[in-house]
Amino acid sequence: QQPVQSPQAVILREGEDAVINCSSSKALYSVHWYRQKHGEAPVFLMILLKGGEQKGHEKISASFNEKKQQSSLYLTASQLSYSGTYFCGTDSKAAGNKLTFGGGTRVLVKP
Amino acid sequence: KAGVTQTPRYLIKTRGQQVTLSCSPISGHRSVSWYQQTPGQGLQFLFEYFSETQRNKGNFPGRFSGRQFSNSRSEMNVSTLELGDSALYLCASSSGTGGLMGTGELFFGEGSRLTVL
Repeated sequence: QQPVQSPQAVILREGEDAVINCSSSKALYSVHWYRQKHGEAPVFLMILLKGGEQKGHEKISASFNEKKQQSSLYLTASQLSYSGTYFCGTDSKAAGNKLTFGGGTRVLVKP
Repeated sequence: KAGVTQTPRYLIKTRGQQVTLSCSPISGHRSVSWYQQTPGQGLQFLFEYFSETQRNKGNFPGRFSGRQFSNSRSEMNVSTLELGDSALYLCASSSGTGGLMGTGELFFGEGSRLTVL
């Protein structure tokens, strides 16, 4: 069962902030975040391991609430280069330790 | 360091035919995963191989199969193609061992875009 991402799409002005959420019904070992630009391969952003550790990538950070099986990706002071589709991937024993991706969140950052 | 290479990049087939897609992982990576990407379903896990053994399989019919060779290169095959098999097939390699260690960072290839007519 794939994780649920919200919102499905978001439009931002350069410099604005946004939050993308990822929820799973299974106990998670880790959450991964990837970004895919149009016509390109998905690119790794970060992994969050259970324990609630927050990670960062430039002005993109994320948190992982292990108890709620939720992760949030924070886009801070967004740049035009942040446009793309963001996927969360969840890794759990229940899913057989394979990375299962959510449906994606399309982000468009306008000047 | 060369990235993940997938061939062919584009291909067109007709219903009932079969297709074989190839993936060369990053040198030293022993784990290869395959995903199907469609606009409506996002990234759907197909299978994962590690050291020539299929370690995980997604919820796809038996028409979808794969294998991994001793040099870690992997192939996936789809037999008796259906219109719904039209998709971008992505291969990803990882240096992780998976299992109890979990999935490590995935490095994706640019994909093979299959169109079934």
